[in-house]
Amino acid sequence: DIQMTQSPSSVSASVGDRVTITCRASQDISNWLAWYQQKPGKAPKLLIYAASSLQSGVPSRFSGSGSGTDFTLTISSLQPEDFATFYCQQAHSFPFTFGPGTKVDIK
Amino acid sequence: QVQLQESGPGLVKPSGTLSLTCAVSGGSISSSNWWSWVRQPPGKGLEWIGEIYHTGSTNYNPSLKSRVTISVDKSKNQFSLKLSSVTAADTAVYYCARRPDGESYYGMDVWGQGTTVTVSS
Repeated sequence: DIQMTQSPSSVSASVGDRVTITCRASQDISNWLAWYQQKPGKAPKLLIYAASSLQSGVPSRFSGSGSGTDFTLTISSLQPEDFATFYCQQAHSFPFTFGPGTKVDIK
Repeated sequence: QVQLQESGPGLVKPSGTLSLTCAVSGGSISSSNWWSWVRQPPGKGLEWIGEIYHTGSTNYNPSLKSRVTISVDKSKNQFSLKLSSVTAADTAVYYCARRPDGESYYGMDVWGQGTTVTVSS
């Protein structure tokens, strides 16, 4: 299985801050990566697919980059509604695997 | 737009079989999508269980493959999950989700609200 790691595991930030989350795959996954946002008690929401493509309806303050084994999710200016847990997920090989999550909370 | 809704028993006895259904509305299950199951144990991360195409083709997580069956019912526009020989470790919120098929990866773009399944006697 491809192992996905994320850093940091949690981050405290203020509204307006720029936040960057890193995801690393244990082997080359090209751009077969998605990012999801999950709020407590809710289903995950797709933010980014194919590593850098913004899902329809997602604010442009979210962006993704990377290819191969190293990826980043950036929130350019954190908004109150962005406080949540973020997961990366690879779809290069079965079984699909998720990172452990990064919790973004209020500083 | 497409919506997904999970249903099934919220409590399953140990060694029993967990059975869930995901109803697809606002679109056809015979469209170019894979239909997936993902679960999340309390306070933990996400685990992909498996997926099915309307043709019946499936992909399963090897860690669960011996216990999992995903099936599709085109007449009812729904797909189902069966997980046998359950233990407390199978207690989780179970989500169904849609993954568009294609040459690239488009993510799981539509999710159900999730249903909590507890394994307990």
